[in-house]
Amino acid sequence: GQQVMQIPQYQHVQEGEDFTTYCNSSTTLSNIQWYKQRPGGHPVFLIQLVKSGEVKKQKRLTFQFGEAKKNSSLHITATQTTDVGTYFCAETLNTGNQFYFGTGTSLTVIP
Amino acid sequence: NAGVTQTPKFQVLKTGQSMTLQCAQDMNHEYMSWYRQDPGMGLRLIHYSVGAGITDQGEVPNGYNVSRSTTEDFPLRLLSAAPSQTSVYFCASSYSNRGRDTQYFGPGTRLTVL
Repeated sequence: GQQVMQIPQYQHVQEGEDFTTYCNSSTTLSNIQWYKQRPGGHPVFLIQLVKSGEVKKQKRLTFQFGEAKKNSSLHITATQTTDVGTYFCAETLNTGNQFYFGTGTSLTVIP
Repeated sequence: NAGVTQTPKFQVLKTGQSMTLQCAQDMNHEYMSWYRQDPGMGLRLIHYSVGAGITDQGEVPNGYNVSRSTTEDFPLRLLSAAPSQTSVYFCASSYSNRGRDTQYFGPGTRLTVL
């Protein structure tokens, strides 16, 4: 199946520090989506990137899509305890019928 | 709108038992899918459907069956449960299968097979 590598698997940060998770694919992607899952909850859509080199921001969150459309990153500035959870990237092939999720990065924020 | 609903929330089965996990959505979405989530492995696609009467296999379909008789419902059947099927199961739906639509997830079913 499609491999979506996501690093790191775990990250512990002090509140106020920055955090970044990376998603890498073995193939060129049509688009990439990012989801957040709070502990005990279900994944919730955050954003979608479509264009090569695209950068989108949501308050303290910055999402980037690589120029070659093979990688993406999510950066959180000045983390807060509300940022705790697991962040997943999800990719689709050009057929669009199947989503492949990364293994996720679990973020712990220490107050 | 209730969104995507799943029942039951928790289930314990013995090896060899069968059961059906229910999933329903009230958003008139064409695309529905089932995932399982295991520690360190993210979400893996089991089966998906692009519309009523149409289903297809995902990444890990063995041991599971699905059907899609209506747009709203997409049940997942475990024919003979095995301990390896202990997992958290999520149902998701999206407007279409174009691959660029937001996926909406249900709250999940936590299944333990003894």
